[in-house]
Amino acid sequence: GQQVMQIPQYQHVQEGEDFTTYCNSSTTLSNIQWYKQRPGGHPVFLIQLVKSGEVKKQKRLTFQFGEAKKNSSLHITATQTTDVGTYFCAGRVYGNKLVFGAGTILRVKS
Amino acid sequence: EPEVTQTPSHQVTQMGQEVILRCVPISNHLYFYWYRQILGQKVEFLVSFYNNEISEKSEIFDDQFSVERPDGSNFTLKIRSTKLEDSAMYFCASKRQGNGEQYFGPGTRLTVT
Repeated sequence: GQQVMQIPQYQHVQEGEDFTTYCNSSTTLSNIQWYKQRPGGHPVFLIQLVKSGEVKKQKRLTFQFGEAKKNSSLHITATQTTDVGTYFCAGRVYGNKLVFGAGTILRVKS
Repeated sequence: EPEVTQTPSHQVTQMGQEVILRCVPISNHLYFYWYRQILGQKVEFLVSFYNNEISEKSEIFDDQFSVERPDGSNFTLKIRSTKLEDSAMYFCASKRQGNGEQYFGPGTRLTVT
């Protein structure tokens, strides 16, 4: 079945350093979404990418969708302690089913 | 701001018992979902529901699981005979449009003993 791989599993950065998490799908996606889950919380939608090669920015967050629509990345510039949490990508091939990656846990040292 | 609500926040049950997890999606949303997340692991899709019927389900969603929208507001997940491995956080989610963002509820932590 469809799989979405996400790396790294865990990243511990110093406040002010950058952070990137990568997703790779076994199949071409119709779109990909990114979610953030704080410890003990629920996934919160960040963004959706639909077009091949699309790049979107939200303040310090930059999201990219690969040309082949099989991979995506989330980059955070100058991390802050409020960025801590687990970042999940979730890909849709067709229909309504979202397949989540395993998530990247981000910890930020102040 | 409207939000998805779920009850109870924590449910403890004995193996073999039936449980019903309840969700109230955002009122004008049309698509409803259940996901589960075993502690420390990724979010796993269980089922999607649209127009009063299941539109997709995963291999996890076997005959022990069922969903219902008994009225205009509630969306429930029933597990007929719980197993130890059903212990997880269960999230309900809803969305307005087919291609829109999903809003997750706070989750119900199910513990099967």
